[in-house]
Amino acid sequence: ILNVEQSPQSLHVQEGDSTNFTCSFPSSNFYALHWYRWETAKSPEALFVMTLNGDEKKKGRISATLNTKEGYSYLYIKGSQPEDSATYLCAFTSGNAGNMLTFGGGTRLMVKP
Amino acid sequence: DSGVTQTPKHLITATGQRVTLRCSPRSGDLSVYWYQQSLDQGLQFLIQYYNGEERAKGNILERFSAQQFPDLHSELNLSSLELGDSALYFCASSVDINYGYTFGSGTRLTVV
Repeated sequence: ILNVEQSPQSLHVQEGDSTNFTCSFPSSNFYALHWYRWETAKSPEALFVMTLNGDEKKKGRISATLNTKEGYSYLYIKGSQPEDSATYLCAFTSGNAGNMLTFGGGTRLMVKP
Repeated sequence: DSGVTQTPKHLITATGQRVTLRCSPRSGDLSVYWYQQSLDQGLQFLIQYYNGEERAKGNILERFSAQQFPDLHSELNLSSLELGDSALYFCASSVDINYGYTFGSGTRLTVV
């Protein structure tokens, strides 16, 4: 059973704060690491797909890094806004899992105006 | 609209009953995945189909079954329902894992 862990479970920040969260995954047989953004009452939406050690991806104020050798990824949000409030999920797939993703429990971010 | 259509959005049924959840993938996506999210739990993988064939299976109960039809839509059948089967069931599709999943809006199943 693959273990994908995210920390913290929840986070409250003030508007304008920068924040980051962690995703830990098995470092052996790595294939890809995904980040999804899940707003309340909506469905998860893909943010990033990362496949190479050292990958860095950026979309607006959100960026992510990947370390496949030690099995972790960081998601950063610069200058958080209330609309960034959501649950951020990471998901891992290994080389022998086909296209099946194993999801972490998510980090719930709440940004106060 | 993500392009992945799930019906129904909500379903309330009694214990012991059988229900069918339906998913139409985004146009061009051959893979369909089913996930379950129970209270206080993350997304748990149930099953994957690719172009009509079962590709991977997760912790899917024997009371649950699924199939993917020639037009690529998929159905998840849940039978002998128990209270613990109450959950949000998501369908997702993908053309290639390197492009991520596209999720449907989910079916919220309540077993009473």
